[in-house]
Amino acid sequence: SQTIHQWPATLVQPVGSPLSLECTVEGTSNPNLYWYRQAAGRGLQLLFYSVGIGQISSEVPQNLSASRPQDRQFILSSKKLLLSDSGFYLCAWSVRGRINEKLFFGSGTQLSVL
Amino acid sequence: AQKVTQAQTEISVVEKEDVTLDCVYETRDTTYYLFWYKQPPSGELVFLIRRNSFDEQNEISGRYSWNFQKSTSSFNFTITASQVVDSAVYFCALSEPNSGYSTLTFGKGTMLLVSP
Repeated sequence: SQTIHQWPATLVQPVGSPLSLECTVEGTSNPNLYWYRQAAGRGLQLLFYSVGIGQISSEVPQNLSASRPQDRQFILSSKKLLLSDSGFYLCAWSVRGRINEKLFFGSGTQLSVL
Repeated sequence: AQKVTQAQTEISVVEKEDVTLDCVYETRDTTYYLFWYKQPPSGELVFLIRRNSFDEQNEISGRYSWNFQKSTSSFNFTITASQVVDSAVYFCALSEPNSGYSTLTFGKGTMLLVSP
């Protein structure tokens, strides 16, 4: 069966520090991968998606970036965190090549930027 | 642009009560999919249902039921005989017509609190 792992679960970082959140998927090949952010009191906002290694599409301009160095690995990064980057970050995957497929989500990372 | 509105920010009920979570969507596409996800306190979103725009039949799964009304652009979710374990944030979402991947537009969620 497929599983998705996200870490760390919680993270407290000072403003201006770098960020690296990692997500890996097991039990499937060639998944579509996604990063969503859930700010307090808001719904989920799609940040990035990827349909293959090295292929990253950004939905929202910001100081975050994403990379996909391996087929089942998706990394969210920042060189310098802002207060507004605080939120709950969720990684997700879906079956490649199918539209309107359901997303499978990881357990999320609660990021607090102080 | 696609939009999903969940007007109910928070609902509180007592166990065994029925509760309906509202979802209204906007889209110009004729083909689309609607979803409901549950987010328990642990944080992970759990898929509940997917519905395509051509299937307006209501669906029932145990204590859960969904009412899709294309005429009013609504996809409401009812929990019958609610239980404490139903306490969670529930998200309604709408798919965007892209090729080869799934991008969902989510509502802001409805927090359901079920007290014993």
